[in-house]
Amino acid sequence: DTAVSQTPKYLVTQMGNDKSIKCEQNLGHDTMYWYKQDSKKFLKIMFSYNNKELIINETVPNRFSPKSPDKAHLNLHINSLELGDSAVYFCASRRGAQYGYTFGSGTRLTVV
Amino acid sequence: AQTVTQSQPEMSVQEAETVTLSCTYDTSESDYYLFWYKQPPSRQMILVIRQEAYKQQNATENRFSVNFQKAAKSFSLKISDSQLGDAAMYFCAVCLTNFGNEKLTFGTGTRLTIIP
Repeated sequence: DTAVSQTPKYLVTQMGNDKSIKCEQNLGHDTMYWYKQDSKKFLKIMFSYNNKELIINETVPNRFSPKSPDKAHLNLHINSLELGDSAVYFCASRRGAQYGYTFGSGTRLTVV
Repeated sequence: AQTVTQSQPEMSVQEAETVTLSCTYDTSESDYYLFWYKQPPSRQMILVIRQEAYKQQNATENRFSVNFQKAAKSFSLKISDSQLGDAAMYFCAVCLTNFGNEKLTFGTGTRLTIIP
């Protein structure tokens, strides 16, 4: 009965590869997000989607492409992976701003 | 754009004692929400407590309480009767409410160590 689930939890890949991270929420929330947590633990928003529509794109390189097939899913595809993409990526969803966000358990991406 | 500052990169407290984590923020908006999140070594982001900016009363959740000073844009977290399970990174965050700009903006975090 996981609320926000991400797969995979760990991803190790070589530079130049293309990879995807999947996210699904069973909370019935309309809005979903991708956050990146760097090696210093700083969390920064990347994208937000509301009911499959892109709302926020925070100057993320266009190698990163989010896709929302329906409001319960928000996937992140990354092309031509670089060493600097190594981080923990969190998916989140929310019912309303006043309730805060519910986060997935994160995907640790390591680019070698 | 809103910013959140946590000036204490690390804090430590004796088990059963009380500790306060500081947070200041800056926003030009009048309507927003404030949160404290906990991130233990498991990496999971856990909501600890939340505060509506329009409410003067400070939020409380069991051993966790906040001191919200809107004029000073300060939002500190007090943990009473600290327990070993409280050891984690703590992030302060602010969320605006206007659609199209609604996003949770985090501070840089405070690593809390509990001394047995």
